[in-house]
Amino acid sequence: QKEVEQDPGPLSVPEGAIVSLNCTYSNSAFQYFMWYRQYSRKGPELLMYTYSSGNKEDGRFTAQVDKSSKYISLFIRDSQPSDSATYLCAMSAGQGAQKLVFGQGTRLTINP
Amino acid sequence: EAGVAQSPRYKIIEKRQSVAFWCNPISGHATLYWYQQILGQGPKLLIQFQNNGVVDDSQLPKDRFSAERLKGVDSTLKIQPAKLEDSAVYLCASSSRGLSSNEQFFGPGTRLTVL
Repeated sequence: QKEVEQDPGPLSVPEGAIVSLNCTYSNSAFQYFMWYRQYSRKGPELLMYTYSSGNKEDGRFTAQVDKSSKYISLFIRDSQPSDSATYLCAMSAGQGAQKLVFGQGTRLTINP
Repeated sequence: EAGVAQSPRYKIIEKRQSVAFWCNPISGHATLYWYQQILGQGPKLLIQFQNNGVVDDSQLPKDRFSAERLKGVDSTLKIQPAKLEDSAVYLCASSSRGLSSNEQFFGPGTRLTVL
């Protein structure tokens, strides 16, 4: 069993839709949860960062962490064609310069 | 602020050949990471440096892969000899040593094709 599971998609939705992306994990030591966005032929870039359980909102993006269920989510409201990318969840057990364990990535396409 | 630089961007080699990748992290970043990203998968950590010392190389196939970070700045990753299954994007990332920061900044990657 992989430490982090993520549905690879692909996921295709119309512009303006609400998108929900999810990951599950097995390692209860994970405390820090991140979402990275990766455009084609580019390196990943940090989108959202959350510590422990709870919600965090940044503009059109909301990250949720439910440690009791070992489940994290990323919601995108009012999705735009420019949101089309691969979304990677990542987690670590410690703060600072720590090893990240990534999910497989979900490929998302927003259709105009 | 300049980002993480990597070269070359693309490399095609035949199996059993050798190849080397170069990475220049963001200025002042003490921690440097090399990841392997196989098509359709998430990045997998190969090696992590703190300054010029190795912190974690548990997933580095040491029989064929080697990495160094001389002087705690630039880093090179080498594969010798390459196998077909080494075809992947090799990503370099760096991060500051700040206790509040888990953010890793990634370079564009080197896409390796082994024929």
